[in-house]
Amino acid sequence: DAGITQSPRHKVTETGTPVTLRCHQTENHRYMYWYRQDPGHGLRLIHYSYGVKDTDKGEVSDGYSVSRSKTEDFLLTLESATSSQTSVYFCAISDRGGARNTEAFFGQGTRLTVV
Amino acid sequence: LAKTTQPISMDSYEGQEVNITCSHNNIATNDYITWYQQFPSQGPRFIIQGYKTKVTNEVASLFIPADRKSSTLSLPRVSLSDTAVYYCLVGDIGSGNTPLVFGKGTRLSVIA
Repeated sequence: DAGITQSPRHKVTETGTPVTLRCHQTENHRYMYWYRQDPGHGLRLIHYSYGVKDTDKGEVSDGYSVSRSKTEDFLLTLESATSSQTSVYFCAISDRGGARNTEAFFGQGTRLTVV
Repeated sequence: LAKTTQPISMDSYEGQEVNITCSHNNIATNDYITWYQQFPSQGPRFIIQGYKTKVTNEVASLFIPADRKSSTLSLPRVSLSDTAVYYCLVGDIGSGNTPLVFGKGTRLSVIA
């Protein structure tokens, strides 16, 4: 299995509090992604990174920020959590971008509940 | 990134062959067709990729007609463990810094 770890795996937080999710990889892959998955919506891209300090927005980036200060870590921050951000969050890594990619690996997911 | 259309859900009995079709009318010359599989409570994983004609591996077969405007993922003799969401992606490695974007996928339910 690819070396990708998400933490925490489960978290319950209160509305209005900041939350940071961490994705750690040991594969030295260039791309790192954060997705959220909700019933009926498939997998939606929040933010992605294509190198250290190089990040860009995905299709559902509002309310989220990211940082990548070193190759192995990609942090997702909810500055002020809302109930609509209750979801399962997946991190993924890949050595190259685009849909031709065959080497994208996903973490086990983080289940976040905002009450 | 070429837009794809696939059924939202499908049901099948164990032992049957399942075919999931993906439409991608605006596929570009350099685009490949890639399928991912996602089991409940897990992240997606790559299962098969093709450019034209037919590709087969230990998990599935991928059929692509000459016009490449659609593709069909074929799962032979499915079992309960094939219950998953299947995503069809179409694109190339991209110019610049192109992310990996998924759609809603097809939820396959295998019934005993």
